Amino acid sequence: DAGVTQSPTHLIKTRGQQVTLRCSPKSGHDTVSWYQQALGQGPQFIFQYYEEEERQRGNFPDRFSGHQFPNYSSELNVNALLLGDSALYLCASSLRQAGNSPLHFGNGTRLTVT
Amino acid sequence: AQSVTQLDSQVPVFEEAPVELRCNYSSSVSVYLFWYVQYPNQGLQLLLKYLSGSTLVKGINGFEAEFNKSQTSFHLRKPSVHISDTAEYFCAVSTPNDYKLSFGAGTTVTVRA
Repeated sequence: DAGVTQSPTHLIKTRGQQVTLRCSPKSGHDTVSWYQQALGQGPQFIFQYYEEEERQRGNFPDRFSGHQFPNYSSELNVNALLLGDSALYLCASSLRQAGNSPLHFGNGTRLTVT
Repeated sequence: AQSVTQLDSQVPVFEEAPVELRCNYSSSVSVYLFWYVQYPNQGLQLLLKYLSGSTLVKGINGFEAEFNKSQTSFHLRKPSVHISDTAEYFCAVSTPNDYKLSFGAGTTVTVRA
């Protein structure tokens, strides 16, 4: 049973560019959340998708956008990259929207902005 | 809004010794509490969770945690650690009407022989 898979594993971009990160949820899961983890910090919630709609959003600018597809997979897009966007981006999936549904995390995409 | 404070940024410990990682939370409503572990270059793995009921929660790999509502704490313990327990540990909180997890800054546990 495949867990949460993310691609690519590493990415290097230049300031001002745009990037797309991809996530496939664990089999049977229908909800996808994205987190940003800066070096030495805990993950910060970006947003969550369920039934192809953004259900909740953290304190991130509109440069961060996402999408969920009918097969529950998801993309995270970041426009006009800044040096401060360098981080590990984690995707997490769960079975339902309830707060007590444990999140299953992927291994992340390491984004470096130069 | 809820938040989490992990009181120790780094905890060095000798192999086979006990370890305790401290976590305090802040919330105006009832909470769900979690501990996750992150090994180098990997994502987060759930160690244990408190949703309701018994305040002593047992998780994987011999870890346990105790929910203390009066002290708003959820400390993680293991009676005897192994070298393989070297990792970053995160405490996290959510609420019944909130979809996101709020994480602490993490505690780095280094187990020495």
